[in-house]
Amino acid sequence: ETGVTQSPTHLIKTRGQQVTLRCSSQSGHNTVSWYQQALGQGPQFIFQYYREEENGRGNFPPRFSGLQFPNYSSELNVNALELDDSALYLCASSDEPTGGYEQYFGPGTRLTVT
Amino acid sequence: QQPVQSPQAVILREGEDAVINCSSSKALYSVHWYRQKHGEAPVFLMILLKGGEQKGHDKISASFNEKKQQSSLYLTASQLSYSGTYFCGTEKAGGGADGLTFGKGTHLIIQP
Repeated sequence: ETGVTQSPTHLIKTRGQQVTLRCSSQSGHNTVSWYQQALGQGPQFIFQYYREEENGRGNFPPRFSGLQFPNYSSELNVNALELDDSALYLCASSDEPTGGYEQYFGPGTRLTVT
Repeated sequence: QQPVQSPQAVILREGEDAVINCSSSKALYSVHWYRQKHGEAPVFLMILLKGGEQKGHDKISASFNEKKQQSSLYLTASQLSYSGTYFCGTEKAGGGADGLTFGKGTHLIIQP
């Protein structure tokens, strides 16, 4: 059991709105990564936080932002939602950001933008 | 670029063996394998680090050829529970917090 949890499970938003997704990492894990998984595709890296600082980012626009808190929780914020933002959003926690550490995924939040 | 997985899909009878391949054009530090069932999160299977190692537990094993930047996942005597989509996620060599880059996945269907 990985101990990574996410909320909410499902979410429906309208184009142009803002959304906040939450993740609780496994206790002791300093690193959290967020991924977007479109239907039928592999997860795509959004960004990574290590000890409350963003230390890596994928090819996503600035309207995707995040926060990591000292209590191993984190947030993904998306502003000005677009239809293409509809996807499963996954967070994954690990001990360290690089160096071949195992990443454990949460159950995900299914976001639908209408 | 994302790694290339092959085959895209495979259908097996229970008890048969399967091999799933993952190939990258970039130098890699590690390869991570996950299995995802429909509507669920990816479940970690194993990680292989550069150095050309091989790992396994139970009837699932994997290898990593560092020179070719290729990894293979071996499923022997497949069980119904092995059905799902298998993803390889790669971590590039040379540092940098770029997360994992995933392939498009291999759909595995095990029939009784």
